[in-house]
Amino acid sequence: GENVEQHPSTLSVQEGDSAVIKCTYSDSASNYFPWYKQELGKGPQLIIDIRSNVGEKKDQRIAVTLNKTAKHFSLHITETQPEDSAVYFCAVRVPFTRADSNYQLIWGAGTKLIIKP
Amino acid sequence: EAQVTQNPRYLITVTGKKLTVTCSQNMNHEYMSWYRQDPGLGLRQIYYSMNVEVTDKGDVPEGYKVSRKEKRNFPLILESPSPNQTSLYFCASSNTGTVNTEAFFGQGTRLTVV
Repeated sequence: GENVEQHPSTLSVQEGDSAVIKCTYSDSASNYFPWYKQELGKGPQLIIDIRSNVGEKKDQRIAVTLNKTAKHFSLHITETQPEDSAVYFCAVRVPFTRADSNYQLIWGAGTKLIIKP
Repeated sequence: EAQVTQNPRYLITVTGKKLTVTCSQNMNHEYMSWYRQDPGLGLRQIYYSMNVEVTDKGDVPEGYKVSRKEKRNFPLILESPSPNQTSLYFCASSNTGTVNTEAFFGQGTRLTVV
């Protein structure tokens, strides 16, 4: 089945600097790659996603890049701010079975991002 | 407001005392699932349900039960809780078979088994 690896597990950056979190996956049929942010005391929430027909997507200070050949995608946060401190999860959408039209999300292990003032 | 509601938010119980964590969603989603979150292990799926009366095991189902009698509700049952089930639990729901498979999570239930 699909395997999603996420690195690093913890990332500490100075406020104002950029942060990059990377995920790799194994199934070349995967076609949807979301990123979720989990703030303290809350459940994860979708912040940005990308589909396999697109190489990059930006939304203000966050961006996601996808390299289908190498099977990895990354979350980029520029000009980091204290409110960016959270746990970030990547995920990969895969069908329940090869013949299935229903999908599930396979999750990375998470990255704790710490923004130092 | 679209939401997933879990109850209780916090629970301390003793070993062997049956408990149920409730989960309800108001988005008419077909797919619901339960995860546990432990430090360094990320989100691990316990059980999921593709629709009413259809449930299946996730990666860590031992010691848990679920039921899906109605589309909106998906309770998690611990028949005989043990200390290794101390964890942070999340319920999530989503549409399946759609291009956008966004998962909506509840606020979480922090369970301590002593």
